Amino acid sequence: KAGVTQTPRYLIKTRGQQVTLSCSPISGHRSVSWYQQTPGQGLQFLFEYFSETQRNKGNFPGRFSGRQFSNSRSEMNVSTLELGDSALYLCASSLERGGPTDTQYFGPGTRLTVL
Amino acid sequence: AQKITQTQPGMFVQEKEAVTLDCTYDTSDQSYGLFWYKQPSSGEMIFLIYQGSYDEQNATEGRYSLNFQKARKSANLVISASQLGDSAMYFCAMNGNQAGTALIFGKGTTLSVSS
Repeated sequence: KAGVTQTPRYLIKTRGQQVTLSCSPISGHRSVSWYQQTPGQGLQFLFEYFSETQRNKGNFPGRFSGRQFSNSRSEMNVSTLELGDSALYLCASSLERGGPTDTQYFGPGTRLTVL
Repeated sequence: AQKITQTQPGMFVQEKEAVTLDCTYDTSDQSYGLFWYKQPSSGEMIFLIYQGSYDEQNATEGRYSLNFQKARKSANLVISASQLGDSAMYFCAMNGNQAGTALIFGKGTTLSVSS
């Protein structure tokens, strides 16, 4: 079974631009979560989508948004990019949305550099 | 709030030796999950092992085992017979009712395996 895929793998943008990242979950997985990883803040939860609805959200500004499609694929968008948005963005999928037994499987990440 | 603490920034071990990576957690939830992930320099987060709060036996997956001590709120990862390919960053994470589906990560431990 194919794993979680993320595109693109690398991105370079300039301040003020916007960017869209894509994530395809493992086949049959219905939940997709996004995380931001930076050297200073570590791994932080952005949001989670299940059945095309955002079910959980981390503490990030409204410039960060996302959506999920009927085939469970997900996109996240960052508008008005800032230098501090430079990070590795990781997408994770899980079978269901739910309790503590739900294991999340991660994709290879998209490395975003904002100049 | 839930919190994960990994106090070892770096660990050094020789091939074929066993190594323990420490993880302590804090939560008021009764039901929660504990996870370990490996992140090589490529960036992808690889799921290693899971332990549920109600599991009475320690989880094992091949060379990985999780030493779960609930009363002490610790969930240490034990890697037996280290290999050069084990060199990577290791993250302890948890979820639970407080965080919903979000994984809360520790700051990670860098493991270096030498020949």
